[in-house]
Amino acid sequence: DTEVTQTPKHLVMGMTNKKSLKCEQHMGHRAMYWYKQKAKKPPELMFVYSYEKLSINESVPSRFSPECPNSSLLNLHLHALQPEDSALYLCASSQAGWTGGPEAFFGQGTRLTVV
Amino acid sequence: DAKTTQPPSMDCAEGRAANLPCNHSTISGNEYVYWYRQIHSQGPQYIIHGLKNNETNEMASLIITEDRKSSTLILPHATLRDTAVYYCIVSLGGGADGLTFGKGTHLIIQP
Repeated sequence: DTEVTQTPKHLVMGMTNKKSLKCEQHMGHRAMYWYKQKAKKPPELMFVYSYEKLSINESVPSRFSPECPNSSLLNLHLHALQPEDSALYLCASSQAGWTGGPEAFFGQGTRLTVV
Repeated sequence: DAKTTQPPSMDCAEGRAANLPCNHSTISGNEYVYWYRQIHSQGPQYIIHGLKNNETNEMASLIITEDRKSSTLILPHATLRDTAVYYCIVSLGGGADGLTFGKGTHLIIQP
């Protein structure tokens, strides 16, 4: 199984809502990532988890709250978002702990629209 | 910031080899060159990576210059399904730092 599964595929939320994006992998990867991609732009790294601990936060606003409850799951909790946060949110996973090569596997993304 | 420079777009005829260039003149000795592609509305897909030597897999070949300042991804027999944005990324690899995507090359395969 080389899949990274993201749910939901599409999400529309109001600016006062609280919602969560979910990501799951069963490849035994111990590094997991959240990326944000605006239309016609490249993906931008948001967060990195390594061995279930947050290792990188790319100065992401606190209205985005990541969580890694176990080695297979990664969540992104959303609260009080703005319309400009509308984007494709991508989850990825890879092996961790050594340099030099393991590729990252990406999910198909959650397309988020904030109204 | 991305450490790579790629042409914004390229065309290639179906069945021909597609050669995608990438400049990475500031690459350090322990950084790898990775290639990913993103087909419209899908997540990026790993293609290939290399350090110094040329590499080949079932999808593509990667040619890295001897000074490692540039590389070329070769899709030997392009098909319409290869139309995508191709990203060249320089990275230590592993779970240490994530990937910094540049603007990529939009490759359009013409029938």
